[in-house]
Amino acid sequence: QKEVEQNSGPLSVPEGAIASLNCTYSDRGSQSFFWYRQYSGKSPELIMSIYSNGDKEDGRFTAQLNKASQYVSLLIRDSQPSDSATYLCAVDTGRRALTFGSGTRLQVQP
Amino acid sequence: SAVISQKPSRDICQRGTSLTIQCQVDSQVTMMFWYRQQPGQSLTLIATANQGSEATYESGFVIDKFPISRPNLTFSTLTVSNMSPEDSSIYLCSVEEGAGDYEQYFGPGTRLTVT
Repeated sequence: QKEVEQNSGPLSVPEGAIASLNCTYSDRGSQSFFWYRQYSGKSPELIMSIYSNGDKEDGRFTAQLNKASQYVSLLIRDSQPSDSATYLCAVDTGRRALTFGSGTRLQVQP
Repeated sequence: SAVISQKPSRDICQRGTSLTIQCQVDSQVTMMFWYRQQPGQSLTLIATANQGSEATYESGFVIDKFPISRPNLTFSTLTVSNMSPEDSSIYLCSVEEGAGDYEQYFGPGTRLTVT
């Protein structure tokens, strides 16, 4: 079982819709959770971090964490073509080093 | 967030040679990390580099193959030694920022092709 799992996609949504990206992790001791966006040929860009159960909102992005279910998600409201990228879920199990999922490719159709 | 630069941005190297990648940060940071992203894959941590101590390597990565230096709080190098085509990857450094709830930010990466 992979430590951090994501659906590879592609996830295709129309412009203006809500994109929902999901991630599960195996280590119950995981402390910190991150979502990175990676455009093709570029390095990962941090878009959200979440550390406690519940929702965290930042602009069009909402991260949701459920430690009991070992589940973290990212919602992107009013999706734009510029949101088309690969979204990487990363988890810190307490060593201050990140374990990444394989990423979900999001395509926003104009 | 800190501004991170890497040199070189890309290189093409022959097998059997070595390449040293530099990572420079515009502010002092305690923890720096080196990751590898193989073609079409996600990121894998190579090692954690803290100033004043030996780097801590992840399973599958060894110091002889990937020696790391961390001479001060703004700079680190990763050397890829005795390269083979399987070492063709993007190598990324990252830095940790924040106190308590921290975050990691990545440099632009070094794209290495080994022929």
